[in-house]
Amino acid sequence: QLQLQESGPRLVRPSETLSLNCDVSDGSIDSSNYFWVWIRQPPEKGLEWIGSIYYTGNTYYNSSLKSRVSISIDLSKNQFSLTLSSVTAADTAVYFCASLLGGGYVDFWGQGILVAVSS
Amino acid sequence: AIQLTQSPSSLSASVGDRVTITCRATQDINSALAWYQQKPGKAPKLLISDASSLQSGVPSRFSGSGFGTDFTLTVSSLQPEDFATYYCQQFISYPQRELSFGGGTRVEIK
Repeated sequence: QLQLQESGPRLVRPSETLSLNCDVSDGSIDSSNYFWVWIRQPPEKGLEWIGSIYYTGNTYYNSSLKSRVSISIDLSKNQFSLTLSSVTAADTAVYFCASLLGGGYVDFWGQGILVAVSS
Repeated sequence: AIQLTQSPSSLSASVGDRVTITCRATQDINSALAWYQQKPGKAPKLLISDASSLQSGVPSRFSGSGFGTDFTLTVSSLQPEDFATYYCQQFISYPQRELSFGGGTRVEIK
């Protein structure tokens, strides 16, 4: 089954850009069956869909974050990435990467990475 | 965007209890609803897709029902490992429409 692993800085300064990578293993990121998704969870709060990308490069974003978010995919590395610009303390969260079956629900998740926004 | 409201936000129950969690959507989402279980410090786990389809390996004491705007997740006989937080998620017309999650229901030991 698919394995996903997030990586990136765990501390980001306010107003700077958060950048995370997700390495996919035991499966191919160019599968037509999947979208690749980022989801976040602020401490002690619920889940929020950030956005998704298809292997073709088509992207879909949460409208509340769209002006600050970019998701990209690197087929050669079997990896997809998230950038979130102009971060504030409200962006402090555990960020999960995951595989989204074509229908729209998540079947495999990374373990999550806690990113704190603080000076 | 479609909003999902879960109720209750938390509940206390005993081992063996029957537990029901509801999820209400602001628009008709047919059966495009999934349920997840999350334990502290872990990623969520998919329990049910398409409102009522139990995922492989998920115990049969879990069941989902509903269509349109009102959905339920039922645990027929709560087990110690079921104490967790549960989330619903809608995916109607994805990817043309945005995904969204309910606020969660925390199931605690009484």
